[in-house]
Amino acid sequence: QKEVEQDPGPLSVPEGAIVSLNCTYSNSAFQYFMWYRQYSRKGPELLMYTYSSGNKEDGRFTAQVDKSSKYISLFIRDSQPSDSATYLCAMSAGALSSGDKLTFGTGTRLAVRP
Amino acid sequence: EAQVTQNPRYLITVTGKKLTVTCSQNMNHEYMSWYRQDPGLGLRQIYYSMNVEVTDKGDVPEGYKVSRKEKRNFPLILESPSPNQTSLYFCASSPYPIQETQYFGPGTRLLVL
Repeated sequence: QKEVEQDPGPLSVPEGAIVSLNCTYSNSAFQYFMWYRQYSRKGPELLMYTYSSGNKEDGRFTAQVDKSSKYISLFIRDSQPSDSATYLCAMSAGALSSGDKLTFGTGTRLAVRP
Repeated sequence: EAQVTQNPRYLITVTGKKLTVTCSQNMNHEYMSWYRQDPGLGLRQIYYSMNVEVTDKGDVPEGYKVSRKEKRNFPLILESPSPNQTSLYFCASSPYPIQETQYFGPGTRLLVL
């Protein structure tokens, strides 16, 4: 079983829809949680970062962490065609300075139809 | 412009022919890392470096070498490439010790025949 599970999609939604992207994980030591967006033929770019549990909002994006269920989510409100990309979740138990590493999900491909 | 650059972007080679993929960042970041991305497996770390002359193995280091002689450069070396190293490779850098801000390069697509 993988440490981080993510539905690969593709997920196709109409413009304006609310999108929910999710990851589950098995390592209870994870406490840093990130979402990266990766456009086709590009490197991943950091979208959201959350430490421990709770919610974080940034514009149309909301990240949620439920450590009790080992489940994280990314919500996109009023989705736009420019949101079409692959979304990767990533998490780690500690900081890079401690020699910890990020464990990535395999990514969910999202297509927003005009 | 703050960025991570990789060269080449695309490379086709044959088994056993040594190659180097260069990575350079202009942000004075101390932490640099190499990943490979494969379908169904996601991004996996190959090697990382916390500073000049300090490198360590990631999850999948076999068949790869790295060096960090200068802060800005972190080349990935495949001494004897094999077909199972066909993959999409990303270099990334991060200001130390802030983990959340990791900047990725544009990727290098490698095909080993």
